[in-house]
Amino acid sequence: NAGVTQTPKFRVLKTGQSMTLLCAQDMNHEYMYWYRQDPGMGLRLIHYSVGEGTTAKGEVPDGYNVSRLKKQNFLLGLESAAPSQTSVYFCASSYQVAGASYNEQFFGPGTRLTVL
Amino acid sequence: GENVEQHPSTLSVQEGDSAVIKCTYSDSASNYFPWYKQELGKGPQLIIDIRSNVGEKKDQRIAVTLNKTAKHFSLHITETQPEDSAVYFCAAGLINDYKLSFGAGTTVTVRA
Repeated sequence: NAGVTQTPKFRVLKTGQSMTLLCAQDMNHEYMYWYRQDPGMGLRLIHYSVGEGTTAKGEVPDGYNVSRLKKQNFLLGLESAAPSQTSVYFCASSYQVAGASYNEQFFGPGTRLTVL
Repeated sequence: GENVEQHPSTLSVQEGDSAVIKCTYSDSASNYFPWYKQELGKGPQLIIDIRSNVGEKKDQRIAVTLNKTAKHFSLHITETQPEDSAVYFCAAGLINDYKLSFGAGTTVTVRA
Protein backbone atom coordinates (compact mmCIF):
# COMPACT_ATOMS: atom_id res chain seq x y z
CA ASN A 1 0.00 0.00 0.00
CA ALA A 2 1.20 3.50 -0.83
CA GLY A 3 -0.73 4.98 2.11
CA VAL A 4 -1.41 8.69 1.68
CA THR A 5 0.17 10.40 -1.31
CA GLN A 6 0.20 14.08 -2.24
CA THR A 7 0.76 15.82 -5.54
CA PRO A 8 2.75 17.96 -6.17
CA LYS A 9 5.62 17.93 -3.67
CA PHE A 10 6.66 21.51 -4.36
CA ARG A 11 5.03 24.46 -6.11
CA VAL A 12 5.73 28.14 -6.56
CA LEU A 13 2.83 30.42 -7.46
CA LYS A 14 2.46 34.09 -8.16
CA THR A 15 -0.12 36.10 -6.23
CA GLY A 16 -3.53 35.64 -7.79
CA GLN A 17 -2.80 32.33 -9.49
CA SER A 18 -4.88 29.27 -8.76
CA MET A 19 -3.93 25.67 -8.17
CA THR A 20 -5.23 22.36 -6.86
CA LEU A 21 -3.44 20.04 -4.46
CA LEU A 22 -4.32 16.38 -4.80
CA CYS A 23 -4.43 13.88 -1.95
CA ALA A 24 -5.00 10.18 -2.53
CA GLN A 25 -5.26 7.31 -0.05
CA ASP A 26 -5.48 3.60 -0.76
CA MET A 27 -6.54 2.47 2.72
CA ASN A 28 -10.31 2.85 2.17
CA HIS A 29 -10.46 5.44 4.94
CA GLU A 30 -13.67 7.35 5.52
CA TYR A 31 -12.19 10.54 6.90
CA MET A 32 -9.75 12.88 5.19
CA TYR A 33 -8.20 16.15 6.28
CA TRP A 34 -6.17 19.06 4.97
CA TYR A 35 -3.78 20.84 7.34
CA ARG A 36 -1.32 23.64 6.93
CA GLN A 37 1.89 23.73 8.93
CA ASP A 38 3.54 27.04 9.72
CA PRO A 39 6.52 27.70 12.01
CA GLY A 40 5.45 28.06 15.64
CA MET A 41 1.81 27.29 14.84
CA GLY A 42 1.76 23.55 14.51
CA LEU A 43 -0.83 21.85 12.35
CA ARG A 44 -4.01 23.79 11.67
CA LEU A 45 -7.03 22.13 10.12
CA ILE A 46 -8.23 23.78 6.91
CA HIS A 47 -11.07 21.50 5.78
CA TYR A 48 -12.06 17.93 6.38
CA SER A 49 -14.38 15.28 5.00
CA VAL A 50 -16.26 12.51 6.78
CA GLY A 51 -17.16 10.67 3.61
CA GLU A 52 -17.47 10.79 -0.14
CA GLY A 53 -19.40 13.86 -1.26
CA THR A 54 -19.20 15.64 2.11
CA THR A 55 -16.85 18.39 3.28
CA ALA A 56 -16.69 20.74 6.25
CA LYS A 57 -14.72 23.76 7.38
CA GLY A 58 -11.92 23.46 9.85
CA GLU A 59 -10.05 26.07 11.84
CA VAL A 60 -8.61 28.13 8.95
CA PRO A 61 -10.82 27.61 5.85
CA ASP A 62 -10.72 31.09 4.29
CA GLY A 63 -9.17 31.22 0.82
CA TYR A 64 -9.47 27.46 0.27
CA ASN A 65 -12.03 25.13 -1.23
CA VAL A 66 -12.17 21.34 -1.21
CA SER A 67 -13.92 18.51 -2.96
CA ARG A 68 -14.31 14.79 -2.24
CA LEU A 69 -15.89 13.33 -5.35
CA LYS A 70 -14.29 9.93 -4.80
CA LYS A 71 -13.66 8.26 -1.46
CA GLN A 72 -9.96 7.90 -2.11
CA ASN A 73 -9.30 11.48 -3.22
CA PHE A 74 -9.48 14.81 -1.43
CA LEU A 75 -8.65 17.96 -3.40
CA LEU A 76 -7.62 21.31 -1.94
CA GLY A 77 -8.03 24.35 -4.16
CA LEU A 78 -6.64 27.84 -3.95
CA GLU A 79 -8.66 30.09 -6.24
CA SER A 80 -6.52 33.23 -5.90
CA ALA A 81 -3.27 32.53 -4.07
CA ALA A 82 -1.91 35.04 -1.55
CA PRO A 83 1.53 35.23 0.09
CA SER A 84 -0.15 34.37 3.42
CA GLN A 85 -0.87 30.93 1.96
CA THR A 86 2.81 30.12 1.74
CA SER A 87 3.02 27.01 3.88
CA VAL A 88 3.53 23.28 3.96
CA TYR A 89 0.25 21.46 3.35
CA PHE A 90 -0.44 18.02 4.73
CA CYS A 91 -3.23 15.67 3.90
CA ALA A 92 -4.28 12.96 6.36
CA SER A 93 -6.84 10.20 6.58
CA SER A 94 -8.38 8.07 9.30
CA TYR A 95 -10.82 5.20 9.42
CA GLN A 96 -14.12 4.11 10.87
CA VAL A 97 -15.11 0.66 12.08
CA ALA A 98 -18.65 -0.45 12.93
CA GLY A 99 -19.95 3.04 13.63
CA ALA A 100 -16.98 4.17 15.70
CA SER A 101 -14.16 6.43 14.57
CA TYR A 102 -10.53 5.74 15.28
CA ASN A 103 -8.38 8.68 16.03
CA GLU A 104 -5.06 7.73 14.43
CA GLN A 105 -4.46 9.95 11.46
CA PHE A 106 -2.18 8.84 8.65
CA PHE A 107 -0.34 11.71 7.00
CA GLY A 108 1.01 12.23 3.54
CA PRO A 109 4.53 13.58 2.88
CA GLY A 110 3.38 17.18 2.40
CA THR A 111 3.36 19.83 -0.31
CA ARG A 112 5.58 22.88 0.09
CA LEU A 113 3.84 25.86 -1.48
CA THR A 114 5.41 29.27 -1.96
CA VAL A 115 3.31 32.23 -3.11
CA LEU A 116 5.32 35.18 -4.39
CA GLY B 1 -12.96 24.74 20.80
CA GLU B 2 -9.96 22.90 22.15
CA ASN B 3 -6.70 24.81 22.63
CA VAL B 4 -3.47 22.87 23.08
CA GLU B 5 -0.28 24.55 24.25
CA GLN B 6 3.09 22.82 23.96
CA HIS B 7 6.44 23.57 25.61
CA PRO B 8 9.27 23.94 24.94
CA SER B 9 9.38 24.89 21.28
CA THR B 10 12.95 23.62 20.95
CA LEU B 11 14.89 21.11 23.03
CA SER B 12 18.52 20.09 22.71
CA VAL B 13 19.75 17.08 24.69
CA GLN B 14 22.93 15.07 24.92
CA GLU B 15 22.70 11.56 23.53
CA GLY B 16 21.73 9.22 26.32
CA ASP B 17 19.95 11.89 28.36
CA SER B 18 16.17 12.19 28.76
CA ALA B 19 13.82 14.59 27.00
CA VAL B 20 10.50 15.82 28.33
CA ILE B 21 7.83 17.72 26.39
CA LYS B 22 4.77 19.14 28.12
CA CYS B 23 1.32 20.03 26.83
CA THR B 24 -1.78 21.57 28.34
CA TYR B 25 -5.31 21.45 26.99
CA SER B 26 -8.35 23.59 27.65
CA ASP B 27 -11.39 21.38 27.04
CA SER B 28 -12.06 19.10 30.00
CA ALA B 29 -14.15 16.85 27.73
CA SER B 30 -11.05 15.77 25.76
CA ASN B 31 -10.18 12.17 26.53
CA TYR B 32 -7.68 11.14 23.87
CA PHE B 33 -4.09 12.43 23.73
CA PRO B 34 -1.79 11.25 20.95
CA TRP B 35 1.79 12.19 20.19
CA TYR B 36 3.10 12.45 16.65
CA LYS B 37 6.70 12.48 15.45
CA GLN B 38 7.66 14.29 12.27
CA GLU B 39 11.01 13.48 10.72
CA LEU B 40 12.62 15.87 8.30
CA GLY B 41 10.78 16.00 5.00
CA LYS B 42 8.03 13.64 6.09
CA GLY B 43 4.51 13.79 7.44
CA PRO B 44 3.78 13.29 11.15
CA GLN B 45 3.42 9.73 12.39
CA LEU B 46 1.69 8.51 15.54
CA ILE B 47 4.18 7.18 18.10
CA ILE B 48 2.09 6.77 21.23
CA ASP B 49 -1.27 7.77 22.61
CA ILE B 50 -3.06 7.78 25.96
CA ARG B 51 -6.69 7.78 26.94
CA SER B 52 -8.10 9.58 29.94
CA ASN B 53 -8.84 6.38 31.85
CA VAL B 54 -5.10 5.77 32.41
CA GLY B 55 -2.43 7.96 33.95
CA GLU B 56 0.66 6.59 32.24
CA LYS B 57 1.62 4.47 29.26
CA LYS B 58 5.02 3.18 28.19
CA ASP B 59 6.43 1.81 24.99
CA GLN B 60 10.11 0.96 25.18
CA ARG B 61 11.98 4.28 25.60
CA ILE B 62 8.95 6.54 25.37
CA ALA B 63 6.26 7.17 27.95
CA VAL B 64 3.32 9.49 28.30
CA THR B 65 1.72 10.74 31.49
CA LEU B 66 -1.64 12.42 31.92
CA ASN B 67 -2.96 14.61 34.71
CA LYS B 68 -6.66 15.13 34.04
CA THR B 69 -7.16 17.42 37.01
CA ALA B 70 -4.50 19.83 35.85
CA LYS B 71 -5.30 19.21 32.19
CA HIS B 72 -1.77 18.51 31.15
CA PHE B 73 0.11 15.60 29.62
CA SER B 74 3.75 14.93 28.89
CA LEU B 75 6.01 12.88 26.63
CA HIS B 76 9.16 11.37 28.13
CA ILE B 77 11.95 9.96 25.99
CA THR B 78 14.69 8.13 27.87
CA GLU B 79 18.18 7.22 26.66
CA THR B 80 17.84 9.51 23.67
CA GLN B 81 19.45 8.49 20.40
CA PRO B 82 20.25 10.49 17.24
CA GLU B 83 17.21 9.01 15.50
CA ASP B 84 15.01 10.68 18.13
CA SER B 85 15.85 14.06 16.54
CA ALA B 86 12.56 15.26 15.03
CA VAL B 87 9.59 17.55 15.59
CA TYR B 88 7.10 16.20 18.11
CA PHE B 89 3.45 17.26 18.24
CA CYS B 90 0.99 16.64 21.01
CA ALA B 91 -2.73 16.63 20.27
CA ALA B 92 -6.05 16.35 22.07
CA GLY B 93 -9.44 15.12 21.01
CA LEU B 94 -12.31 12.80 21.79
CA ILE B 95 -12.22 9.03 21.50
CA ASN B 96 -14.42 7.96 18.57
CA ASP B 97 -14.30 11.46 17.13
CA TYR B 98 -12.41 12.22 13.97
CA LYS B 99 -10.84 15.58 14.76
CA LEU B 100 -7.71 16.47 16.70
CA SER B 101 -6.31 19.77 17.95
CA PHE B 102 -2.53 19.92 17.69
CA GLY B 103 0.08 21.75 19.71
CA ALA B 104 2.64 23.98 18.01
CA GLY B 105 5.37 21.34 18.03
CA THR B 106 8.74 20.81 19.72
CA THR B 107 11.95 20.46 17.73
CA VAL B 108 14.15 17.95 19.51
CA THR B 109 17.84 17.75 18.67
CA VAL B 110 19.93 14.95 20.11
CA ARG B 111 23.62 15.88 20.24
CA ALA B 112 26.15 13.10 19.73
